This record gives sequence, C-alpha cells and structure tokens, in this order.
Amino acid sequence: KQEVTQIPAALSVPEGENLVLNCSFTDSAIYNLQWFRQDPGKGLTSLLLIQSSQREQTSGRLNASLDKSSGRSTLYIAASQPGDSATYLCAVEDSNYQLIWGAGTKLIIKP
Amino acid sequence: NAGVTQTPKFQVLKTGQSMTLQCAQDMNHNSMYWYRQDPGMGLRLIYYSASEGTTDKGEVPNGYNVSRLNKREFSLRLESAAPSQTSVYFCASSEMAAEQYFGPGTRLTVT
Repeated sequence: KQEVTQIPAALSVPEGENLVLNCSFTDSAIYNLQWFRQDPGKGLTSLLLIQSSQREQTSGRLNASLDKSSGRSTLYIAASQPGDSATYLCAVEDSNYQLIWGAGTKLIIKP
Repeated sequence: NAGVTQTPKFQVLKTGQSMTLQCAQDMNHNSMYWYRQDPGMGLRLIYYSASEGTTDKGEVPNGYNVSRLNKREFSLRLESAAPSQTSVYFCASSEMAAEQYFGPGTRLTVT
C-alpha cells in the first residue's frame, strides 16, 4: 500500500532564506507527483506536477524534483517571503489514478 | 470562471441527521473527487467519479453516498451523520493524470 511521508511537520525560517521541503513515498509505481499549497481555512492550490518520466519542474521561485527510484521528491523555495507561509502538501497519483497524500509541512516565514 | 464551487461552507449536524454536500465545476473535467481532511492527516479519498455516470469507492467510503448528477455536479450525502464524520470536506476535479483543482471546502461538525 502506498504511503506518503512529509518531514518535517513544521518549519520556521527567516525571510530571504532558501529552503527545501521533503516528501517520500513507498511505491515507485506512480503516474505523477503533485505539490500543493493550503492556506488556513482555504482550499488547496496546485503548485507543480511532475510526471513520472520527468526529473523536475520549475515555476518562478519554486523547483520540484522527483527521484522515483529512491521514492523521494523535494520542493525548493528560493528567497522565501512571508507570503510563502502556508501548509505544503505532496501527493502521488497511483496506478488507479488516485492521489495518495502526505500530511503536509506547515511553513512559517518570519519577517 | 468560478472553478470548483462547494456548498455549504459550514454545517453543524446532530448525530443521526442527514445532509448533502454539493459540488460543481465549470472546467469541463471528466473526473471529480470527494476528500476529507482531518487534523494532522493527509487528505483521504472518500469517493470519486472518473466520468459522468460512474462512481467508485475510495479509501474511506463507509457512511457516505455520492451522485454524479451530470458532468458538472458531484454530490456527497451523509445518510446518518456520526461524530466521526466531523471533518473538512473538499471536492476536486481534473482530467485523468493531470493536476486536480479544489473547491474551498465544507467544514462539518457533528455533535
């Protein structure tokens, strides 16, 4: 059974730092991996989707990598800003086209 | 272009009461999903509909029913609410193996 883990559960860093969020999964048979952002009391916003054949995707200050063989993905945020404060979730799409979710990393960027 | 809309935003039920959560999308997506999100846990799939006229169980379907009314609308029904169904419910839509778009969520409390 696919399991997705995100470590750490919470992270607090000063504004301007570059940071890395981690996501690991137990079964490499995935269609894609997605990173989402969730603001308090709000829905989820898709940030990046990496197809299983890809190694990375970039959007602005965000870069996500995927290493299927080791069951790992990282989300790199460059030059962090207070507006980046949110919970970041990763999810893998399994062979049944269903998303299996991590519990998220709560990120706080201190001004 | 509203994306994915959900009603209601908040609901309080007594144990044993029933209710239907409504979801609609205007992106012409074939697939629609219902998730629940509990504190400290990732999202869990309740039911999904890969296309109009089909529905399938997800990870946690017990106590719920769904209806894919047409391509736009996918409703979730609680026939006899229980305190364990206190949660935040999200509806999402997508094309297969593509990014999912989420509604703002329904916060349900069962007393």
